[in-house]
Amino acid sequence: AQTVTQSQPEMSVQEAETVTLSCTYDTSESDYYLFWYKQPPSRQMILVIRQEAYKQQNATENRFSVNFQKAAKSFSLKISDSQLGDAAMYFCAYFGIQGAQKLVFGQGTRLTINP
Amino acid sequence: DAGITQSPRHKVTETGTPVTLRCHQTENHRYMYWYRQDPGHGLRLIHYSYGVKDTDKGEVSDGYSVSRSKTEDFLLTLESATSSQTSVYFCAISELAASGGSNTGELFFGEGSRLTVL
Repeated sequence: AQTVTQSQPEMSVQEAETVTLSCTYDTSESDYYLFWYKQPPSRQMILVIRQEAYKQQNATENRFSVNFQKAAKSFSLKISDSQLGDAAMYFCAYFGIQGAQKLVFGQGTRLTINP
Repeated sequence: DAGITQSPRHKVTETGTPVTLRCHQTENHRYMYWYRQDPGHGLRLIHYSYGVKDTDKGEVSDGYSVSRSKTEDFLLTLESATSSQTSVYFCAISELAASGGSNTGELFFGEGSRLTVL
């Protein structure tokens, strides 16, 4: 079974600085998707960024980018120019294309932005 | 925003009572999911559905059952609630339309239902 591990339960960063959230996963599949979701205090789940495993280029969305290392099964999220609105729980998630069509989540990292 | 509605949004109940949570979608999406969220565990899959009357278990399915009699509704039932089922429950749907195709894995989530079992 696929597993996703986020080893940093909590992180903090100064406003306007850069922070990187770590995620590793375990799978025997060759084709899959990886996601980062954000959950602010409102509890709403918001998609931040998606990476297709067959693409070597790292995905970027404005201030958010990923470092996807397929061989190492690592998928970190970098947030540049951190803003107060970035404070949230961040979840890394894996979706395997073969087999059961379901999203597997990591434990989450709570990000605090210090003004 | 995807049209997903969960009800009730908050519920307090007593141990041993049955509870049903409802997820309703207006997007005609094929896949629907129930997750529970607990501190330190992230979101864990309870059950999911890949079509009307087609459901499968997730990693934490014990004590839960589901039903999907039509595309738009996915019900989660706790036959006899226990304190360990106190949690926040999220329904999610895929971006895939019910007519077919491959699931790209992006899920759209409801607002969550907070269940407290005393």
